[in-house]
Amino acid sequence: GAGVSQSPSNKVTEKGKDVELRCDPISGHTALYWYRQSLGQGLEFLIYFQGNSAPDKSGLPSDRFSAERTGGSVSTLTIQRTQQEDSAVYLCASSLNSGTSGTVQYFGPGTRLTVT
Amino acid sequence: GDSVTQMEGPVTLSEEAFLTINCTYTATGYPSLFWYVQYPGEGLQLLLKATKADDKGSNKGFEATYRKETTSFHLEKGSVQVSDSAVYFCALSDRAGSNYKLTFGKGTLLTVNP
Repeated sequence: GAGVSQSPSNKVTEKGKDVELRCDPISGHTALYWYRQSLGQGLEFLIYFQGNSAPDKSGLPSDRFSAERTGGSVSTLTIQRTQQEDSAVYLCASSLNSGTSGTVQYFGPGTRLTVT
Repeated sequence: GDSVTQMEGPVTLSEEAFLTINCTYTATGYPSLFWYVQYPGEGLQLLLKATKADDKGSNKGFEATYRKETTSFHLEKGSVQVSDSAVYFCALSDRAGSNYKLTFGKGTLLTVNP
């Protein structure tokens, strides 16, 4: 079946511009996560959605970062006024809401963002 | 807060060698533990998991045992192949409300030479 998809796969933008990154989770997965993978910081949690609600936004690094999810499916991560330190691979993952910590998260291929 | 520490490598082995990648964790609750793998040019995928103490996760010849007394989840494989070359991430998931976010180690690059 279809896995998690993300678009675009690569994005190069100029410092100060806004960018939108999209995630299509596996159908039926109610939980959705955004992570960031960078050389200096490794893999970091950004935000968690349960349905269309985001009960945990604690990993967003600044108020330039926001995310939404509509229809319990597609999610968009928006970065406003991009900075060079935002350059990273942004990963999306989805999972069933089984109510246990052993639930497996399935990852998309990521969006590589480069801010010049 | 939760944290995961794993040997950073890089690790270079010859084919058929024994592999160990050490992983230890700190958590406030009773986490589940995972190993994810990232092959060159591909996304993160689950390799194996264990959800409680003394559980052993296994897949593709890899094994890891959840050791609560030593807070460890070391990855082992008896005989590595060139196709095992990848970056390996140890991770834990602990409950924070309904959020089961993953906390990752820094990753270990494994290169297996023929």
